[in-house]
Amino acid sequence: KQEVTQIPAALSVPEGENLVLNCSFTDSAIYNLQWFRQDPGKGLTSLLLIQSSQREQTSGRLNASLDKSSGRSTLYIAASQPGDSATYLCAVAPQTGANNLFFGTGTRLTVIP
Amino acid sequence: DGGITQSPKYLFRKEGQNVTLSCEQNLNHDAMYWYRQDPGQGLRLIYYSQIVNDFQKGDIAEGYSVSREKKESFPLTVTSAQKNPTAFYLCASSLTGYSNQPQHFGDGTRLSIL
Repeated sequence: KQEVTQIPAALSVPEGENLVLNCSFTDSAIYNLQWFRQDPGKGLTSLLLIQSSQREQTSGRLNASLDKSSGRSTLYIAASQPGDSATYLCAVAPQTGANNLFFGTGTRLTVIP
Repeated sequence: DGGITQSPKYLFRKEGQNVTLSCEQNLNHDAMYWYRQDPGQGLRLIYYSQIVNDFQKGDIAEGYSVSREKKESFPLTVTSAQKNPTAFYLCASSLTGYSNQPQHFGDGTRLSIL
């Protein structure tokens, strides 16, 4: 069964720093990988979706990369801001085609002003 | 506004009681999902439905039941058989049930035991 791990579990950085969040998965037979943001007590907001054939996706200050063969993805946040403080979750969709996502446990990010 | 509405935001259950969580979407999506989130853990799939009048069990379906009588609605019942129901429940939908479609989430319902 697919297992998704995110390291670190929590991260604090001063405002303006660039940072990297990590996601690893055990089964490389994935259809895509998605990064989500979750604010406290709220649902998930999709940030980036990378198809298995892609290497990276960019949206504003966010860049996500995917190395399917090694089972890894990173989310790079440039010039962090206090408003980036949230929990970031990655999720993989299996290659079977069914949209049953497997989620990591998340990284709780705090950006200190 | 198009989106997913979950209600209520907070719900309390007494021992031995069934409770139903509501999820409504006006995105015209075929597929809908229910996830459970426990503190410090990722989301786990309870049930999903790819089309009206059809649904499948996810990884942790025991103690839960669903129905999909309308495209817009996918209510989740937490039965008395679910011994540890305290959690944050999230509903999601996607255009289709295929992996190339991103899932959109509601704001969740927090269920607690009295």
